[in-house]
Amino acid sequence: NAGVMQNPRHLVRRRGQEARLRCSPMKGHSHVYWYRQLPEEGLKFMVYLQKENIIDESGMPKERFSAEFPKEGPSILRIQQVVRGDSAAYFCASSPQAGANEAFFGQGTRLTVV
Amino acid sequence: DQQVKQNSPSLSVQEGRISILNCDYTNSMFDYFLWYKKYPAEGPTFLISISSIKDKNEDGRFTVFLNKSAKHLSLHIVPSQPGDSAVYFCAASDYGGATNKLIFGTGTLLAVQP
Repeated sequence: NAGVMQNPRHLVRRRGQEARLRCSPMKGHSHVYWYRQLPEEGLKFMVYLQKENIIDESGMPKERFSAEFPKEGPSILRIQQVVRGDSAAYFCASSPQAGANEAFFGQGTRLTVV
Repeated sequence: DQQVKQNSPSLSVQEGRISILNCDYTNSMFDYFLWYKKYPAEGPTFLISISSIKDKNEDGRFTVFLNKSAKHLSLHIVPSQPGDSAVYFCAASDYGGATNKLIFGTGTLLAVQP
């Protein structure tokens, strides 16, 4: 019974490149949340998706960031033209129904922009 | 605007004693509160939660207390064990809302000394 799987675990990108972070939710979970943890800070909500739908993207930066959760395959968080300030740990969580209560988190992807 | 605050960045406790981690919140719409534990390079792991209709929830060595009038909650761990050493995050949600995203505090690093 695999948990929430995120890959890659570590990602290094040069400024201006694109970063793609993948999240496969737990089996049977159709709700996915992305969070970002900047150094020395707590986790900040970015976006909440259900299959093929973005439900709440109030935490997403207005530019360069996008997320999707297609009918088939993992959820993708995409960051275009990365900058140094995007360096952070990005966590994905999933839950079986609406409500992030007791959502299960993946191990995260640590993005480093050089 | 930090809606969930953990004012103690760190706490050191002797093995076998009680650990008390504190959390304050400002949004009276929050109706569900959770504690997560996080080891380095891993994702947060759900520990215990409490609904706003209760003032206490207990699970083994872990007890969460909620004081709604003071907008304060605390996590008690007794007896503390060295394996409890981790960062503890308090989180809140408005479960009755549509998106149920979690608002996290900045975390408290607990060190349990053998």
